[in-house]
Amino acid sequence: DAGVIQSPRHEVTEMGQEVTLRCKPISGHDYLFWYRQTMMRGLELLIYFNNNVPIDDSGMPEDRFSAKMPNASFSTLKIQPSEPRDSAVYFCASRPDYPGLYFGEGSWLTVV
Amino acid sequence: GNSVTQMEGPVTLSEEAFLTINCTYTATGYPSLFWYVQYPGEGLQLLLKATKADDKGSNKGFEATYRKETTSFHLEKGSVQVSDSAVYFCAPARDDKIIFGKGTRLHILP
Repeated sequence: DAGVIQSPRHEVTEMGQEVTLRCKPISGHDYLFWYRQTMMRGLELLIYFNNNVPIDDSGMPEDRFSAKMPNASFSTLKIQPSEPRDSAVYFCASRPDYPGLYFGEGSWLTVV
Repeated sequence: GNSVTQMEGPVTLSEEAFLTINCTYTATGYPSLFWYVQYPGEGLQLLLKATKADDKGSNKGFEATYRKETTSFHLEKGSVQVSDSAVYFCAPARDDKIIFGKGTRLHILP
């Protein structure tokens, strides 16, 4: 079975550019989560969706970050404009209607 | 809300040593409890879980018991291997969300 699929795996971009990270959750999973991982702050929950509806976006750092889930099989996390402090690994995870997350392999973002 | 405290790493052990990684949590009600493992360059993988008090989760030789009275979920393994080198995350889950600790890096020497 295909797991959670994220793209791109690696991205290097210049400060001020728009970054779009993509995620395809596991089919049939009702929940989708976006996390950010850095050495300093560990793993932070940014936002999560249930049945494509954003439920809690209190972890989104600021207005430069936005996330959408237009359908059950696709979500995006966008950063515009990007800054060097956004450099991190961004993980997407999904789960069915009981606890236990399935993570993608992450998108490694470097903003220079 | 939920929070979790894990012992700080890195933890360095020799192969075949006994492992304990401590984890305590705060949460309203009775959360489900998880341990996740992250190998270098990969995402997190579910290692084991326990959903109610006194439950023991186990997988790949690792065990953890849900202790409600001490709000703990310590991870143990009797004999570690070099391949167990990774970062381990304790995570309570309540009301849809899983909150992760900062993780404990484990390094096993051959």
